[in-house]
Amino acid sequence: QQQVKQSPQSLIVQKGGISIINCAYENTAFDYFPWYQQFPGKGPALLIAIRPDVSEKKEGRFTISFNKSAKQFSLHIMDSQPGDSATYFCAATYFSSGSARQLTFGSGTQLTVLP
Amino acid sequence: DAGVIQSPRHEVTEMGQEVTLRCKPISGHDYLFWYRQTMMRGLELLIYFNNNVPIDDSGMPEDRFSAKMPNASFSTLKIQPSEPRDSAVYFCASSPDSGSYNEQFFGPGTRLTVL
Repeated sequence: QQQVKQSPQSLIVQKGGISIINCAYENTAFDYFPWYQQFPGKGPALLIAIRPDVSEKKEGRFTISFNKSAKQFSLHIMDSQPGDSATYFCAATYFSSGSARQLTFGSGTQLTVLP
Repeated sequence: DAGVIQSPRHEVTEMGQEVTLRCKPISGHDYLFWYRQTMMRGLELLIYFNNNVPIDDSGMPEDRFSAKMPNASFSTLKIQPSEPRDSAVYFCASSPDSGSYNEQFFGPGTRLTVL
């Protein structure tokens, strides 16, 4: 129930194209859904996040779409650039009194944007 | 701020040896997390601390793993004795407050290879 399923495992997109990564969850207690971006040799870094009370959040070329009833959310990268080539992780977390918000990560998507 | 600092960045050791990984969290952050990343299992939370106190170590794989946080600016993850299956990238992350939506800031990781 704690699992977050992510697809695809890898994605190759032409420069200027749209990259779409999908995630699904089971635990309805999750109330915050961040996406992390990881470049080779670096730690993951927060890219964008959404709360389930909204269906979409946009920051520049990055958009999260959220479907609460389907328990699914996705990351869209518009006008993909070679510099976007990285591994993307979706995650989910919930608040539990007396403990920390623990991130449950998806398995990751390796995105390659061809020049 | 320099961000989360980890050392060493790379560690190669032989099976049976003791390995100590080090982490300096961002100043002022109350929470510290240790993660392990492998191709097979993705990002796994091993243990986390709140104000230097270990709160949840349920992710620690075996008694061979131990973690300490003697003060607010330093934490260690020790593996004794190490085994080849411990080979992974180990990340430390810190968070200013985990009750809110504050993000976790990851260090660059330590790549451990056990021969």
